[in-house]
Amino acid sequence: AQSVTQPDIHITVSEGASLELRCNYSYGATPYLFWYVQSPGQGLQLLLKYFSGDTLVQGIKGFEAEFKRSQSSFNLRKPSVHWSDAAEYFCAVGALGYALNFGKGTSLLVTP
Amino acid sequence: GAGVSQSPSNKVTEKGKDVELRCDPISGHTALYWYRQSLGQGLEFLIYFQGNSAPDKSGLPSDRFSAERTGGSVSTLTIQRTQQEDSAVYLCASSLEPPDTQYFGPGTRLLVL
Repeated sequence: AQSVTQPDIHITVSEGASLELRCNYSYGATPYLFWYVQSPGQGLQLLLKYFSGDTLVQGIKGFEAEFKRSQSSFNLRKPSVHWSDAAEYFCAVGALGYALNFGKGTSLLVTP
Repeated sequence: GAGVSQSPSNKVTEKGKDVELRCDPISGHTALYWYRQSLGQGLEFLIYFQGNSAPDKSGLPSDRFSAERTGGSVSTLTIQRTQQEDSAVYLCASSLEPPDTQYFGPGTRLLVL
């Protein structure tokens, strides 16, 4: 069965510092991978996705993620965090089908 | 263009009452999904509609939950005899042919007293 693990429930970074949010998945074939962001009281917004091809994926708001098949990981990175990046981040896995299987989320706090 | 819309944005109901939650997908999207987001459980898949195919109801937690999609567009999620554990945010998403990106609505926050 598919599963998605986001090991960090909370992360705190200083504004301007780099960020890496971890995501590990368990799936029998190459999955479709997504990162979504949810700001307080808002819906989920897609940051980036990986279906195939180049394993380094660029997304919106300066985010990128790298698919590493050997590590079953799809970590999200940003070189310099802004205060407006404070939000909940969700990694999700999709099969050739439909429903997304989400991780529990990582809450990002940005300090001045 | 218009995104996915959901109504109501908030719903407070009493235990045992029935509730209906509505989702308007993005025009032209053939696939529609319902998820539930609750503390401790994260985001859970409930049900999926694709075109005229029979829906995948494998995520519905009990037979009190049902959903329909009329005319391949608007969907209604119905919860009968609501329980306190049904309190959650119900999210709707739509997409073009899967596994294309799912676009989420703002959700309906349901509170069962």
